[in-house]
Amino acid sequence: GENVEQHPSTLSVQEGDSAVIKCTYSDSASNYFPWYKQELGKRPQLIIDIRSNVGEKKDQRIAVTLNKTAKHFSLHITETQPEDSAVYFCAATSYNNAGNMLTFGGGTRLMVKP
Amino acid sequence: GAVVSQHPSWVICKSGTSVKIECRSLDFQATTMFWYRQFPKQSLMLMATSNEGSKATYEQGVEKDKFLINHASLTLSTLTVTSAHPEDSSFYICSARSGFGATEAFFGQGTRLTVV
Repeated sequence: GENVEQHPSTLSVQEGDSAVIKCTYSDSASNYFPWYKQELGKRPQLIIDIRSNVGEKKDQRIAVTLNKTAKHFSLHITETQPEDSAVYFCAATSYNNAGNMLTFGGGTRLMVKP
Repeated sequence: GAVVSQHPSWVICKSGTSVKIECRSLDFQATTMFWYRQFPKQSLMLMATSNEGSKATYEQGVEKDKFLINHASLTLSTLTVTSAHPEDSSFYICSARSGFGATEAFFGQGTRLTVV
């Protein structure tokens, strides 16, 4: 099955700096890679996603890059703000008998210091 | 995006009792629903996948007789934790997607289960 590794597990940046979170996956058949932001005790919220036919996608301060050959993808947050502080999860599709499913990375706790 | 509603948001129960958690898709038909468990400061671990009208597919290590999943309609899936023990205390989250080939998943708000 799919295995998703995420680094770093914690990341502390100063407000205004950039933050980068990296993930690797194992299943070359994976073709969909979402990123979620989860605040304490709340549901994960999709912030951006990328499909395997695209190498990069940007939405305002957030961007995601995908390297299919190397099987890794990254989340980039520029001009970080305190409200960006949360746990971020990457995910990749994998497949079981019920169809496709998401396998999550271990999460990155991002702390943005004002 | 689509809305998935999960209830209750929190529940406290005594050891040995059963707890039912509901997951509803409010504005779309969810052919597939997923149940995750999340322990503090950890990632979401998939417990099982359910397709409407068929038996759930459980992940390795998840006891199907303990975590009963029913997906009887296109808008409702339930997870029943039977004979709950303190080690079952966790954050349970459901997610749903609209079609078999659909990739985007929408999450419920989660249920904090505490077994005392």
